[in-house]
Amino acid sequence: AQSVTQLGSHVSVSEGALVLLRCNYSSSVPPYLFWYVQYPNQGLQLLLKYTSAATLVKGINGFEAEFKKSETSFHLTKPSAHMSDAAEYFCAVSDNTDKLIFGTGTRLQVFP
Amino acid sequence: DAGVTQSPTHLIKTRGQHVTLRCSPISGHKSVSWYQQVLGQGPQFIFQYYEKEERGRGNFPDRFSARQFPNYSSELNVNALLLGDSALYLCASSSLDPFSDTQYFGPGTRLTVL
Repeated sequence: AQSVTQLGSHVSVSEGALVLLRCNYSSSVPPYLFWYVQYPNQGLQLLLKYTSAATLVKGINGFEAEFKKSETSFHLTKPSAHMSDAAEYFCAVSDNTDKLIFGTGTRLQVFP
Repeated sequence: DAGVTQSPTHLIKTRGQHVTLRCSPISGHKSVSWYQQVLGQGPQFIFQYYEKEERGRGNFPDRFSARQFPNYSSELNVNALLLGDSALYLCASSSLDPFSDTQYFGPGTRLTVL
């Protein structure tokens, strides 16, 4: 069965600091991996996705994630946090059936 | 192009009632999926429909049902509402293109059961 684990339900960084949100996956088949962001009282917005084309995936708003098969990880990073990055971030995994399995989310706080 | 739209935005019901939530996918998308997001948790898969056929179902009771119409819009129905059904219900659409396995989410319907 597929699953994702997001380490750290809350992450706090200062504006301009590195953002690192952790995600580990479990999958019996080559996975599709996604990061979504959810702003308060809104739906989910796709940040980036991994579909085996390249291990380093660049997304919107300066975010990127690296697929590491040996570590079964797909951590999300951004070199310099902005106040507008404050939101809930979800890692998700799927096979090719379109069913997404989400992690429990990480709330990112950015302090001035 | 318009994104995924959902209606209503908010809904308040009492225990035992029935509710219908609606979703219109992105133009050209033939697949619609429904997710339940309880406060403080990640979304949980409920259903997926493609070309009006159910392609997948999550671990939800039979009180939950859905259907997809010829124009690819979809309805999610929940009978005999329980307090625990209070959640944000998200609809997502995709083209099911094998090289573009991406789901695009709507803003959700916030259901409160009293």
